[in-house]
Amino acid sequence: AQRVTQPEKLLSVFKGAPVELKCNYSYSGSPELFWYVQYSRQRLQLLLRHISRESIKGFTADLNKGETSFHLKKPFAQEEDSAMYYCALRGGYQKVTFGTGTKLQVIP
Amino acid sequence: SAVISQKPSRDICQRGTSLTIQCQVDSQVTMMFWYRQQPGQSLTLIATANQGSEATYESGFVIDKFPISRPNLTFSTLTVSNMSPEDSSIYLCSVLRDVGGYTFGSGTRLTVV
Repeated sequence: AQRVTQPEKLLSVFKGAPVELKCNYSYSGSPELFWYVQYSRQRLQLLLRHISRESIKGFTADLNKGETSFHLKKPFAQEEDSAMYYCALRGGYQKVTFGTGTKLQVIP
Repeated sequence: SAVISQKPSRDICQRGTSLTIQCQVDSQVTMMFWYRQQPGQSLTLIATANQGSEATYESGFVIDKFPISRPNLTFSTLTVSNMSPEDSSIYLCSVLRDVGGYTFGSGTRLTVV
């Protein structure tokens, strides 16, 4: 079975402070991991995927197989980062499992 | 990347009735996915719709309750049948992108009264 855990429902940080959204996963094979973001009144959209090792909007995420984690980080939070963030894992048969999401609130 | 049009965007329905949600993609895709997001919860995969074959349903979802059509490579429908208030949710369709990850429709917010 594949599982994704996001322990925080809400994360509040001040503008300019570092952000870390936690994601842990459980999967017996080689997972493909993603972060999705949903801004207010917008559709869910892909933020980044671990395979591409990219930085999008200042966010990065490193896959740590030893700790089975894929935490999302940004050194300096901006107000426009306020949104709902979902960690997702794609395992066998293209099946994607989503975490419960973390609401990031950046306080001006 | 693919653009998905989903409709209706929202609806309020009487219990016992059915609602059909449509999803149109601007390019041909092999697999389309239907998700449900209940209030305060994560996205749950309902089924995978392949063109030319029966949809594959996840545990807890059955064809009689959520019949799916996939008449061609750019279109799919999900019907929520014999609705009850527990079916109140956001329903989303999605497709796999060429570069990995998924593109989602804007969602259908269903309220059953």
